Formats: sequence, C-alpha cells, structure tokens
Amino acid sequence: SQQGEEDPQALSIQEGENATMNCSYKTSINNLQWYRQNSGRGLVHLILIRSNEREKHSGRLRVTLDTSKKSSSLLITASRAADTASYFCASYSGGYQKVTFGTGTKLQVIP
Amino acid sequence: DGGITQSPKYLFRKEGQNVTLSCEQNLNHDAMYWYRQDPGQGLRLIYYSQIVNDFQKGDIAEGYSVSREKKESFPLTVTSAQKNPTAFYLCASSKQGSTDYEQYFGPGTRLTVT
Repeated sequence: SQQGEEDPQALSIQEGENATMNCSYKTSINNLQWYRQNSGRGLVHLILIRSNEREKHSGRLRVTLDTSKKSSSLLITASRAADTASYFCASYSGGYQKVTFGTGTKLQVIP
Repeated sequence: DGGITQSPKYLFRKEGQNVTLSCEQNLNHDAMYWYRQDPGQGLRLIYYSQIVNDFQKGDIAEGYSVSREKKESFPLTVTSAQKNPTAFYLCASSKQGSTDYEQYFGPGTRLTVT
C-alpha cells in the first residue's frame, strides 16, 4: 500500500510551545491512530480517533480528523524535552492488517 | 512485567544467508504482526497472524517467511530471496486483530546485510 504523508517532516520548538503535525491519507478509514517512536525504539500508541469522530483529547494531546479532506492533525500542548521523538499516523481501513503508516514527523523540543 | 521482546537488538549477516528474528510476547495476545521500517519511512506490514497456526501475507511478504506454532512466539525469517533486507524490523501484538484493541510494539531488531 502507498505510504500516507505527514508534514512537516521535521519540527524544532522550544520547551513550553505547542507542536502541531499533520497527516494525510488516501483511502476511506475506520479509524486513525497516532504513535510515538523514540530514536531506534519501538512504537508507542498515543491515541485513536474513529472515522465518526472529529476531535479527541488525551492529556496534552489533541487529535482532529477531517474525513472530507482525508487528513488528521496532532497537537501537543506545552511541550517538554521528553516529547522529542518521531510521530507517526496510521490509517486503518479494517483491522490491523489494513494499515497505511505515514512517513512521520521528527519533533525536537529544545529545553 | 508483560510485554514483547525481540532479539537480538542488532544483527549482521552476509548476503545469501537466511536469518531468523525472534519475537516473543507474554501478553496472552492472539494477534501478532511483523513490520519493516526503512530510514525516514513509516512502517510496512510484512506478515500477520490472528491465531496460532494461521498467518497471512501483508503488503511486502516477498522474501520473508513466518511460523506461529505457539501463541507467544512469531519468528520471522529473512531469506536470501529478499532483495534489500537491511532495515529495522518491528514486531507487534494485539489482543485481537480488530483495532478496537491497542497494538503493542517490541523494541525492534536492526538487521544489516552486507
């Protein structure tokens, strides 16, 4: 399957600032999930948003989904140095076997 | 502690050799998955298994093989037929194949073939 796209590819911000990253996908989805990956490590699940939801919050994370534009955004508020990682979106058109991952946004939070 | 383990963390092989990557989980999950990640890229699904003794090809299965003889274990063999095997390999599991259940990832194995 084709890769989804994320932008920006890289983002550098100061601690305390907000970070926004965007994801676009190509096919109809059941849900979309965001993951974090620290350098050279496995992925950690952050948040899931279903196709009939428009916005979801989890702690300092806010995710939006616009199915008409086939896009999603992840907002991290009041960023911390520990948020430094790569962030991936994954769009699912069925179970976990029907997945398309984005290319990722590399976030650097400067203390 | 429950989780997924992958071994080894780094693996080096000569071209033409088969190599097997280990993945074990003690989460009592039915479903397990193998992904490949190339630099600057997202993950691509190689194989998945919804239940013991059953597995299905993902998007990039050519040159790879798997087995699922035990619920806890889902080893991946990278064969000499895989044209470009150097990559970061990630194993994952979920309670079932539905995305209603969170997917858990192992720490990955970085394979280098020269």
